[in-house]
Formats: sequence, structure tokens, C-alpha cells
Amino acid sequence: DAKTTQPPSMDCAEGRAANLPCNHSTISGNEYVYWYRQIHSQGPQYIIHGLKNNETNEMASLIITEDRKSSTLILPHATLRDTAVYYCIVGLTIGAPAGKSTFGDGTTLTVKP
Amino acid sequence: DSGVTQTPKHLITATGQRVTLRCSPRSGDLSVYWYQQSLDQGLQFLIQYYNGEERAKGNILERFSAQQFPDLHSELNLSSLELGDSALYFCASTGSNTGELFFGEGSRLTVL
Repeated sequence: DAKTTQPPSMDCAEGRAANLPCNHSTISGNEYVYWYRQIHSQGPQYIIHGLKNNETNEMASLIITEDRKSSTLILPHATLRDTAVYYCIVGLTIGAPAGKSTFGDGTTLTVKP
Repeated sequence: DSGVTQTPKHLITATGQRVTLRCSPRSGDLSVYWYQQSLDQGLQFLIQYYNGEERAKGNILERFSAQQFPDLHSELNLSSLELGDSALYFCASTGSNTGELFFGEGSRLTVL
């Protein structure tokens, strides 16, 4: 699986958009980009995933660059409850998807009042 | 609630001992994954089972073993425990090809 690089920490004001970047320059053509988050020491929670096109769901939007070497997770209106570690990982969907990947260190997002 | 159940939530034991962690996946999910999360490390993939068979192995120590039973629940066995085995152990399951993993709340193991 391709490796990802994320900033170790970011701050965001409550109510503002949080934009979390991820670099995955070695991603292969059939690998998806997944985002998960972990609040305190709870089990990680799936957020969103995508292949080429931008994706949006009730939690977030995922913007993938045309060359697929980087992506940005957008939380449109961050709340204090969005404070968490956000993981960007890449992997295949068939068989063993992102599950085989080590989640890495992720980005610690702190939403401030 | 992800639908994945892990027991026990907390476990304190001594070095050299053996423990078993249990995971019940979401109803119908055939794949179960085990992860270890130590204080100074991220989530490390240990092992995956699919419908009772081992499918993939990660950084799992020889002292650790796992299995998945016919009813699809899984157990992670940790033996000859060392202080460094103290960690959160997560189980995750999936039943689709979409890549979405559903994680349990973890079992916190403390080895004294």
C-alpha cells in the first residue's frame, strides 16, 4: 500500500471549515484514498473514501487532485466534537481494503471555541 | 455504535501471563481485523481473518495468535506477556468491498 504524509497537528476555529491535507505521491491507479478519525482512545471511525472524483457525504468532503498525489478532507463547519486524530490511508477495496495498512500518526485536529 | 463488540474493555495482568481478547463482528461481516495501538505508536495492523481463514498478517508477534470461529467471532490470544504488550487492541470488521471498516471500542490491556 502507498504511504501517506500528513501534518502532525492543526487548529481550527469552531464553525469554520477544517481543511486537512494528505500527500500520497506513490498511490497506484487502483488504490482508493480513505479517511478515518479517532476521538480520544475510541475506536476509529470511517469518514469518507474516494478514487478519482471528489466525494461528499454527511460528514465531510474529499477533494482529490487530478494527479491523485494528494487529497484534502474538508469538515465544512467544525465543532468541538470534531477534535480528533484524522488518518489518511490508501489501499485497494477488493479483498483486504485499507485494513492491512498501518494507520500512521495522522493529524491531530483541535477545534477551538 | 459500530456494531462490533469487544470484550473485555479493560484487562490488567502480570508479565508472563496469557490473555484472550474477544471480538464479535457486525452481523453478516465475514472479515475481521486486529490492530494494536501502543501509547507511542499508531494503529498497527496485526492480522486479518475472512470467513474463518487467515487472510493477511501484519506485525504480529509469534507470542500472539488469533482465530475466527464458525459463528464469525474472533479471538486474539496473547501469551508470555511483556510490559511492552500494554496497549489498546482493536478489532474491526467489514463485509463489503467499499473499504469501510467498523471498529470496536477496543480492549485496553495493562501488563504489570
